[in-house]
Amino acid sequence: GDSVTQMEGPVTLSEEAFLTINCTYTATGYPSLFWYVQYPGEGLQLLLKATKADDKGSNKGFEATYRKETTSFHLEKGSVQVSDSAVYFCALVLQGAQKLVFGQGTRLTINP
Amino acid sequence: DADVTQTPRNRITKTGKRIMLECSQTKGHDRMYWYRQDPGLGLRLIYYSFDVKDINKGEISDGYSVSRQAQAKFSLSLESAIPNQTALYFCATSVGSGTGEQYFGPGTRLTVT
Repeated sequence: GDSVTQMEGPVTLSEEAFLTINCTYTATGYPSLFWYVQYPGEGLQLLLKATKADDKGSNKGFEATYRKETTSFHLEKGSVQVSDSAVYFCALVLQGAQKLVFGQGTRLTINP
Repeated sequence: DADVTQTPRNRITKTGKRIMLECSQTKGHDRMYWYRQDPGLGLRLIYYSFDVKDINKGEISDGYSVSRQAQAKFSLSLESAIPNQTALYFCATSVGSGTGEQYFGPGTRLTVT
């Protein structure tokens, strides 16, 4: 079946460090890919998305590129801030299915 | 702002009690979802509804039921709560003609003692 695998956390970095959170997927068709962020005590917020191969999603300094050849959608940020501390979820949806499949989440902590 | 709201935000109940969680949205979306979040397990789909007359089971529907009272309202019921239903519950919405992203409510933290 369709699935998403994220790098295990927790991940702890210092402020201004470079961030990569790996995400790979398995899908029977051509999915749209998403990153969601969950801040403490809140619901999930859509961070960025990409709907076809080689698309790059970006928002708030975060980027991820849809790589069909490696079935990956890794999240990156060049310089993290304390306010980026949250849980990050990678997810996919197949065209027509409209049901999100989530990875298990990666907890990120940024220390000042 | 158009939004997804959930009530209650926190609830403590006893084993065997019936409980209802409610979700309302002002986004005008036709599709609504209920998810459960447990530590280390990510989000799992309980039920989803693509319109008022369409209700579908997700991957973990046992012990739960839903009602789509209107396009904007989707409620989740636990007929007889048990302790392993202690979790964080999220409602979400999406537009059927969109690219698949879903918009989430703030969540309900349910504790069954």
